[in-house]
Amino acid sequence: AQTVTQSQPEMSVQEAETVTLSCTYDTSENNYYLFWYKQPPSRQMILVIRQEAYKQQNATENRFSVNFQKAAKSFSLKISDSQLGDTAMYFCAFMKQSGNQFYFGTGTSLTVIP
Amino acid sequence: SAVISQKPSRDICQRGTSLTIQCQVDSQVTMMFWYRQQPGQSLTLIATANQGSEATYESGFVIDKFPISRPNLTFSTLTVSNMSPEDSSIYLCSVEIARGGYGYTFGSGTRLTVV
Repeated sequence: AQTVTQSQPEMSVQEAETVTLSCTYDTSENNYYLFWYKQPPSRQMILVIRQEAYKQQNATENRFSVNFQKAAKSFSLKISDSQLGDTAMYFCAFMKQSGNQFYFGTGTSLTVIP
Repeated sequence: SAVISQKPSRDICQRGTSLTIQCQVDSQVTMMFWYRQQPGQSLTLIATANQGSEATYESGFVIDKFPISRPNLTFSTLTVSNMSPEDSSIYLCSVEIARGGYGYTFGSGTRLTVV
């Protein structure tokens, strides 16, 4: 079974500062994908960033980057130059390469303070 | 990516009644998924719905409680039957456009409150 753990229920950051959200996972799979999704108050799930497990290079998307440590089964999200619009719930998620089901963590509520 | 219209966006229902949630996609998709997000919790997959076949339910979810229809490649419904306050959750549909995780789109969810 796959499990995803987010140990930070809530976090806050000053506008323009950098924040890191933690995520660990457990799986016996060797090929899989990892994701960070953002869920603002509108409830829309928005894909922030995606990482393929076979790639050693960490994924980046503008202000968002990840620190993927496969051996440690760790997948943290770094948000640089935080903006007010980044305020949302952030979910870490796992998907087997051979599957189509997401396994989500319990989420981290991020508040960007003006 | 696909655009999903999910209805209703919210509802307050009496216990013992049923609610049907609709998910309409603007393109044809093979696989549709229904998730539940309980208050303060993460998303949990209820079932996978393929057109022309019975839905596949995850452990802890049964067809009698959550019947699903998938009449064509652009539409699906989830019914929450004989509701109790424990069913109060957000229900989201999702579709797969392409494999590998990039091609997933979520609806904006239905916030259900059972009183």
